[in-house]
Amino acid sequence: AQRVTQPEKLLSVFKGAPVELKCNYSYSGSPELFWYVQYSRQRLQLLLRHISRESIKGFTADLNKGETSFHLKKPFAQEEDSAMYYCALGSSYKLIFGSGTRLLVRP
Amino acid sequence: KAGVTQTPRYLIKTRGQQVTLSCSPISGHRSVSWYQQTPGQGLQFLFEYFSETQRNKGNFPGRFSGRQFSNSRSEMNVSTLELGDSALYLCASSLAHPTGAQETQYFGPGTRLLVL
Repeated sequence: AQRVTQPEKLLSVFKGAPVELKCNYSYSGSPELFWYVQYSRQRLQLLLRHISRESIKGFTADLNKGETSFHLKKPFAQEEDSAMYYCALGSSYKLIFGSGTRLLVRP
Repeated sequence: KAGVTQTPRYLIKTRGQQVTLSCSPISGHRSVSWYQQTPGQGLQFLFEYFSETQRNKGNFPGRFSGRQFSNSRSEMNVSTLELGDSALYLCASSLAHPTGAQETQYFGPGTRLLVL
């Protein structure tokens, strides 16, 4: 079955601390993986996708096919990073979302 | 470019009624998808349309239906509303990749439906 798992509902860190938001997936084939972010009172928007291999707002994510993971990382969290983060798997013209992780960056 | 727009933004209905939600995609985007977002179930895929054809459908009852028009605008309809249909309904549009690979989806602000 195709599935995306985000084990943490809430991740709380202090400003300047490293952040890692976990994402594991279940998929047979070559996965297309995304991280979407929803800031307070804003619409859901793409943060990054694995095929672009670029860093957005200091965030990076590496696809690890052996561990079926696509964890999102940032070395130094900022208060403006506080938001809801969703990992998503693209398959058959749809996105399968994880349950989301709320990141809270404290001053 | 203007983003994805959805109307109405808020809606209150009673059980048994039906509702139609509308979505206008980003200009040039021919694929439109719909998702239901609830606190309990999270973001769940409803259906996807391209060139007026439904290419995929999620695991929802037949009360949920949709369509796409020749200008790529899309509507979804929910008949015989139930309390559990209360949710935020999100529309997303994307370019259609020629190989079928998943393109980035751009989301609208959503329509919040409350069923009483």
